[in-house]
Parts: sequence; structure tokens; C-alpha cells
Amino acid sequence: GEDVEQSLFLSVREGDSSVINCTYTDSSSTYLYWYKQEPGAGLQLLTYIFSNMDMKQDQRLTVLLNKKDKHLSLRIADTQTGDSAIYFCAEAGGTSYGKLTFGQGTILTVHP
Amino acid sequence: DVKVTQSSRYLVKRTGEKVFLECVQDMDHENMFWYRQDPGLGLRLIYFSYDVKMKEKGDIPEGYSVSREKKERFSLILESASTNQTSMYLCASSSRMEETQYFGPGTRLLVL
Repeated sequence: GEDVEQSLFLSVREGDSSVINCTYTDSSSTYLYWYKQEPGAGLQLLTYIFSNMDMKQDQRLTVLLNKKDKHLSLRIADTQTGDSAIYFCAEAGGTSYGKLTFGQGTILTVHP
Repeated sequence: DVKVTQSSRYLVKRTGEKVFLECVQDMDHENMFWYRQDPGLGLRLIYFSYDVKMKEKGDIPEGYSVSREKKERFSLILESASTNQTSMYLCASSSRMEETQYFGPGTRLLVL
């Protein structure tokens, strides 16, 4: 079946850029998503990219998609302590009923 | 704004009890999902529903059942709770027209 992989931890200093990486196996992915989960909360949609795009920018967030390598990344510019959270990558494989496959989540810790 | 609510933020139950987790969405979404979230494992799909009274098993349905009698409400039932069902439970919904899922705040269940 489909698989989505992320590294579990990332630690950065405040003001630096963060890059969170994700790989997936489903070549029929239509949309790829980034969700953010703050402590004790549900998942909040951050951004998404359609599979025929290479890049999407939204304020401090930049999503890069390498479809050939099945690699997705999320770059957060000027990372702030409020960005500390778990970030999940997810892919929609074009299957019925809108099912998503999620990665394990990357815990981002931002140090002052 | 899409709103997905879950009946409880925290629940403590005893082994063998029957447990009901309720989820309500106010956006007239056709699809609804139940996940459990465990550290290092990401989100795992338990069950989903694409219409009233319709349900499909996800990746880990054992020990769970669901009910969808009304479009806006999707219930997860633990017939006989066990300690290995201690987890964070997340509900999500999406429309048939797009695959983006919107999440509730989660229910943290502890089974003693």
C-alpha cells in the first residue's frame, strides 16, 4: 500500500529557516498536504500542492515537490517559537472517498 | 469556517467498558473519518464513511465500530475498551468535491 515517511525530529534556532522533508511511494498522488498540530490540539491545514506543480509559496511557507523522486519539503522562513509543533505530510492517492495517507509527523523544536 | 467538534477532550474509562466518541461537522461534508494517533506512528485510519449509513474499514478497524445515522454526525464505538486503545482519537471530514480533510480538536482516551 501507500507509504509516507518523515524524519521524527528537527531542532532549529529562532530566526533560522526550517526544512521538513517527506517521501512518499504512491505515484498516483493528486494532492500533497502539510498539516500542523500544536500540543493538545487537532491538525490544522497549513498548505497543499497539486501534483503537477513544483513549488508553492505562501508567506513564510515554501513547498517544493520533486515528483520524479517522490519527495516533498516544507520550508519555514524566519522560524519563530510559535512554529514549534508536529508537522504532518499527507498524500491523496486519487482513491475514492478522499482518503489521505499520513506520515509519522516531524516534531519541530525552535530554540530562542 | 469549517467546524468539526468532538464530544470530549479527555476521557478516562475502565477495561471492558463500552465507549462512545462523537464527532459533528457543520459543513455538510459527505466524508468523515476516525483516526488514532500514537507517538512515532502518525495517524492511522480506523474507519471512514462516505455517506449516511455507509462505512468502510480503514487500516486498523479491529476492536472498533462506527455509526453514521445523520450526515453531520459520525460516532466511534469501542465495544469493550482495552488498555491498548489508550490513544488520541481524531475525527476529520471532507467534501466529495475536494480531498482536503478538516480535523476536530481530538479526544484523549485513557483506558485503565
